[in-house]
Amino acid sequence: GAGVSQSPSNKVTEKGKDVELRCDPISGHTALYWYRQSLGQGLEFLIYFQGNSAPDKSGLPSDRFSAERTGGSVSTLTIQRTQQEDSAVYLCASSFSRGVIYGYTFGSGTRLTVV
Amino acid sequence: GQNIDQPTEMTATEGAIVQINCTYQTSGFNGLFWYQQHAGEAPTFLSYNVLDGLEEKGRFSSFLSRSKGYSYLLLKELQMKDSASYLCAVMDSNYQLIWGAGTKLIIKP
Repeated sequence: GAGVSQSPSNKVTEKGKDVELRCDPISGHTALYWYRQSLGQGLEFLIYFQGNSAPDKSGLPSDRFSAERTGGSVSTLTIQRTQQEDSAVYLCASSFSRGVIYGYTFGSGTRLTVV
Repeated sequence: GQNIDQPTEMTATEGAIVQINCTYQTSGFNGLFWYQQHAGEAPTFLSYNVLDGLEEKGRFSSFLSRSKGYSYLLLKELQMKDSASYLCAVMDSNYQLIWGAGTKLIIKP
């Protein structure tokens, strides 16, 4: 597509429930990133996919968080047994290769609220 | 550890010039990015510097000094639509982007 698409744009869930967030990157972008942004905070790196390589999961805050990228395109971020501290905007970005020079293109994000 | 510092908030007047500073300490350097983020929206790419000096792009310019670990974003002829957060990010030796917390710029008429 023309841009990075994320769904849903907003999600309210009860504490303890599982949620799935979806990201559809720009066609042809080999790299895909998930970030979390809490109010007034910088972007917190979660996970990075590059082509067919093993993902860099070093930013995932706990084992409740996982992500997949199927067929080198669409990615799903899953949060199990959600907690109130998981409330944030989850941003997905994609780039050519490592994102040098042209940077990343971000989606509009999913605002997750855990009540 | 890796660290990006930028002011939390700045205020400027419509039509004026503002400079947003960013200092960094990272493991290696593969370039510095500035992004603009309007409230409730995704960050959008503004500039990329990998060599020392000034890069000019219309009303926006970005400067880099690698020896000082320092960059600034210069916005000229400020418009109300420039009210946004400006994020500084450095790409480290592992090609990971390390992000600052952002500078919220408030433009007053």
